[in-house]
Order: sequence, then structure tokens, then C-alpha cells
Amino acid sequence: DTAVSQTPKYLVTQMGNDKSIKCEQNLGHDTMYWYKQDSKKFLKIMFSYNNKELIINETVPNRFSPKSPDKAHLNLHINSLELGDSAVYFCASSLGYTGGNSPLHFGNGTRLTVT
Amino acid sequence: KQEVTQIPAALSVPEGENLVLNCSFTDSAIYNLQWFRQDPGKGLTSLLLIQSSQREQTSGRLNASLDKSSGRSTLYIAASQPGDSATYLCAVKNSQGGSEKLVFGKGTKLTVNP
Repeated sequence: DTAVSQTPKYLVTQMGNDKSIKCEQNLGHDTMYWYKQDSKKFLKIMFSYNNKELIINETVPNRFSPKSPDKAHLNLHINSLELGDSAVYFCASSLGYTGGNSPLHFGNGTRLTVT
Repeated sequence: KQEVTQIPAALSVPEGENLVLNCSFTDSAIYNLQWFRQDPGKGLTSLLLIQSSQREQTSGRLNASLDKSSGRSTLYIAASQPGDSATYLCAVKNSQGGSEKLVFGKGTKLTVNP
């Protein structure tokens, strides 16, 4: 199936741990994103990569580090997890970036719970 | 700074009714506006994308309009069905701080009762 897939779907971990979320798309897109959806369902962009180059880096703590080994993958590593990091993290992709009108395709999300 | 507002936050209608969801945005210098659907525990599905030069887009029972100058968009759903129950999000793409970003509203939770 052509899609944006992210793993794991659920992630439960303790404060202070380091964890990674992986994302892959087979849509041939060149731009990938990480979004965070908080408990109030508000969706906000964290990072965006275009052709493996970081384009958007919102005011996100340095504990969050994205890595894009190639155009089809964008992983998110989180160090020293805090309670406030609990949220649903969505990966997305699109074709083209500057002035582009390509709709975003989203993965199904990773629900992160920090205890 | 672009802000997107969706009204109402929740809407409950009987099956078969036509309905309108509203979206407003503060900065009219947008590239496009997109409507998404989010089902519980799922990601977002793109429904319609309206480019800044367009006034509306249609897909099946869905029709989205865009009035860029007034900062408004509507999503019209005809003959609603229980399967339409979901949260509908509006997002606008514009340039902020030298980067193009998609800014989302908080969504309208739609319930269609059989």
C-alpha cells in the first residue's frame, strides 16, 4: 500500500528515557514533517525536511532531534523524556515545498505516554 | 502570525441533513487552504485543497469555498451520513518567518446520528 507509515503506534515510557519514532513514506514525496497533537487536539508543526534538508525547526526543545537519512524517511529521536512530551506525534509528507499545492498525507500517529 | 479558528467546535446533526463547517484565518496572504478529516485514533486524511487563486473545490458530497479577502472558508457536506462522523480540520499554508507553514485550526467534531 502506498502510504505514510510510522512506528510504533503506541509508546509508553518513563521520564528520563530516550526514545525514537520512525517514519517512512513510499509516495515519492520529497518533503516530510513531524507534527505534535496535544491533549486539546491542537496540531502544531515541529519540523519539516525537504530533500533531506531541514526547512522548518519550530521552537521545540533541543531534546527533540529529527533525522532524515533519505527523502523517504524522517525519524524523530527524543532525549530525556518529560511528562509534558506526552502527545500524539504525526508524520506527514508532501510533494514539493516552496509554493507547492500538494496536499499533505499523514501517518496514523504515535501515541507517546510518559509516566 | 497566522491564526486559524473553526466554528463550531462540535456539531451534532441527524442523518440526511446538509451542513456547513466554518473556518476563518487572520492573514489572507495564503498559498492554499486544506480541509482534513480525522477519525479517532487515526491520522488526517486530506479532503480538499483550494489554491489561493481558486474559490471552491468539490469532491462528491463535499464542497469547500474560499474567500481569501475576508479570511473565510466553508466546508459544505450534503446529505450527511453516519460515516461522516469525524473531526474536520481546516489548515492554511502561508509564509511565516521565511518558511512556508501549514497552520491548523482546532477542528470541528461532527456527529451524524442515524
